[in-house]
Amino acid sequence: GAGVSQSPRYKVAKRGQDVALRCDPISGHVSLFWYQQALGQGPEFLTYFQNEAQLDKSGLPSDRFFAERPEGSVSTLKIQRTQQEDSAVYLCASSSRGGQFYNEQFFGPGTRLTVL
Amino acid sequence: SQQGEEDPQALSIQEGENATMNCSYKTSINNLQWYRQNSGRGLVHLILIRSNEREKHSGRLRVTLDTSKKSSSLLITASRAADTASYFCATDAGNQGGKLIFGQGTELSVKP
Repeated sequence: GAGVSQSPRYKVAKRGQDVALRCDPISGHVSLFWYQQALGQGPEFLTYFQNEAQLDKSGLPSDRFFAERPEGSVSTLKIQRTQQEDSAVYLCASSSRGGQFYNEQFFGPGTRLTVL
Repeated sequence: SQQGEEDPQALSIQEGENATMNCSYKTSINNLQWYRQNSGRGLVHLILIRSNEREKHSGRLRVTLDTSKKSSSLLITASRAADTASYFCATDAGNQGGKLIFGQGTELSVKP
């Protein structure tokens, strides 16, 4: 079956531009996560949705970062006024359960953002 | 603010040898997971070990967990060139909706 998909796969932005990154989770998955992975580092948590509710946004680095999942399916991560330090791979993951019950997270291929 | 530390940062071995990677973490966990990431691709879940477990096996993978030392190890036996990848441990505190805290990873290179 289809896995998690992300678009675009690559994005080059000039400093100061706004970007929008899309995530299509596995159909029916309740939970959706965004992570940021800098070059040579492990992923770092950004934010988490359970259905359409954003339950944790503690990892968003600044108020320039905004995420939404209005219908509890597709999610968009928006970065306003991009800075060079925003250059990273942005990973999306989904899982079929929410709350305290573990369920494997399935990751998309990521969007590589380069800010010039 | 990554929680996990992994050791070594890079490991190069010959095909057929065993590879051991270590992970340490800082706070209480519900479970610890290991992921593999091939260059330019997403993360693939390998194995999960719960906080009340000490050892778990899956195929050529063996994971141990020592909660008193807040550490885990991943052993890959009889390595293959296809095992070349970055390996990450990730912890789940269990009360944060499944949020994972990743380590910095070990880059494994298996030479044929």
